[in-house]
Amino acid sequence: EDQVTQSPEALRLQEGESSSLNCSYTVSGLRGLFWYRQDPGKGPEFLFTLYSAGEEKEKERLKATLTKKESFLHITAPKPEDSATYLCAVYGDSSYKLIFGSGTRLLVRP
Amino acid sequence: DTGVSQDPRHKITKRGQNVTFRCDPISEHNRLYWYRQTLGQGPEFLTYFQNEAQLEKSRLLSDRFSAERPKGSFSTLEIQRTEQGDSAMYLCASSLEMGLKTQYFGPGTRLLVL
Repeated sequence: EDQVTQSPEALRLQEGESSSLNCSYTVSGLRGLFWYRQDPGKGPEFLFTLYSAGEEKEKERLKATLTKKESFLHITAPKPEDSATYLCAVYGDSSYKLIFGSGTRLLVRP
Repeated sequence: DTGVSQDPRHKITKRGQNVTFRCDPISEHNRLYWYRQTLGQGPEFLTYFQNEAQLEKSRLLSDRFSAERPKGSFSTLEIQRTEQGDSAMYLCASSLEMGLKTQYFGPGTRLLVL
């Protein structure tokens, strides 16, 4: 069964303290991995799409990487405004539905 | 630039009542998806449309749930005889038709069933 697991569930950082979020996936054939940011009470906001192992994408303080079994979202020198829940999702096998992990709740303290 | 819009943003109803939510996708997007999200969890897929055709439904979508997309534009999701377990955020997303494209989400409709 297709599955996405994210860790840690919650992460507290001091402003400027870099870290990484993990997304491990089990799917028979990866057809796309997506990272979203979600603020409380709002819908997920698209960040990155990765399609093949070795691929990397960057946006401001965020960098997403992909291997054959997992993806990392690296946050460099985070700021309080980076506080949010970060969701990882993959396309299910032979389907157009996204399968999401439970997310990592990130809190960045000033 | 208009993204995905959903209406209403919040809905409070009593158990047993029917509710209907509306989603307007990004104008050039042919695919439209519905997801449900409960507190502390990621969104769970409910159903999706390509133009006006409903092509996939989740086992989560009980007989009390029905979705339509007349004329391939906006979509509605109706829940009949609501139960307290239906309380959740209902999210709509849309994407382009070709291949495995990025899904863009709306702000969601938060439903509370009393």
